[in-house]
Amino acid sequence: EPEVTQTPSHQVTQMGQEVILRCVPISNHLYFYWYRQILGQKVEFLVSFYNNEISEKSEIFDDQFSVERPDGSNFTLKIRSTKLEDSAMYFCASSASGSGRETQYFGPGTRLLVL
Amino acid sequence: GQQLNQSPQSMFIQEGEDVSMNCTSSSIFNTWLWYKQDPGEGPVLLIALYKAGELTSNGRLTAQFGITRKDSFLNISASIPSDVGIYFCAGLISLTGNQFYFGTGTSLTVIP
Repeated sequence: EPEVTQTPSHQVTQMGQEVILRCVPISNHLYFYWYRQILGQKVEFLVSFYNNEISEKSEIFDDQFSVERPDGSNFTLKIRSTKLEDSAMYFCASSASGSGRETQYFGPGTRLLVL
Repeated sequence: GQQLNQSPQSMFIQEGEDVSMNCTSSSIFNTWLWYKQDPGEGPVLLIALYKAGELTSNGRLTAQFGITRKDSFLNISASIPSDVGIYFCAGLISLTGNQFYFGTGTSLTVIP
């Protein structure tokens, strides 16, 4: 069964450093998403991406965040200058269409720790 | 962002018991989803609801979209140890967008 994959599974970085989280969505999906889950808290929407541009973003997704689809398979989330409060689990998801009726499939997540 | 409150926050039950949890908000939603998250993994969709009053089952799971469109509940019948995990509701306000708001989660422990 096709699945969303994410790398790395864990990342430790120093405050102020840039990190890039990588995702490979399901191959025939067209919509891609990033979510964040701070330890012990709820999952929070960050951004959705379609046709090489952001379609929706939350108030969390500020100027330090950016997303990119650098090639036909990868979807990345970049955090330019990490802060302590960026420590969280970051989930990538993908769906075949952008309709709210379309199932979003989540990856296993990348656990980011900012020291 | 929108606030979705789930209750209870955590549950400890005996294997075989039925479970009920709900999700409420002050906002009206057009889609309700229920997800299960196992430790260290991403959420997995259990049930999706698209219409007020809709009642949908998936095996031992049953979920309903509240008539007011501000709430939803999830029932699990005859719980088994593998039901252990955190259950999240998620709601979509927009009819055209795809920004889901997640609930605060219900942690379920099943005692064999």
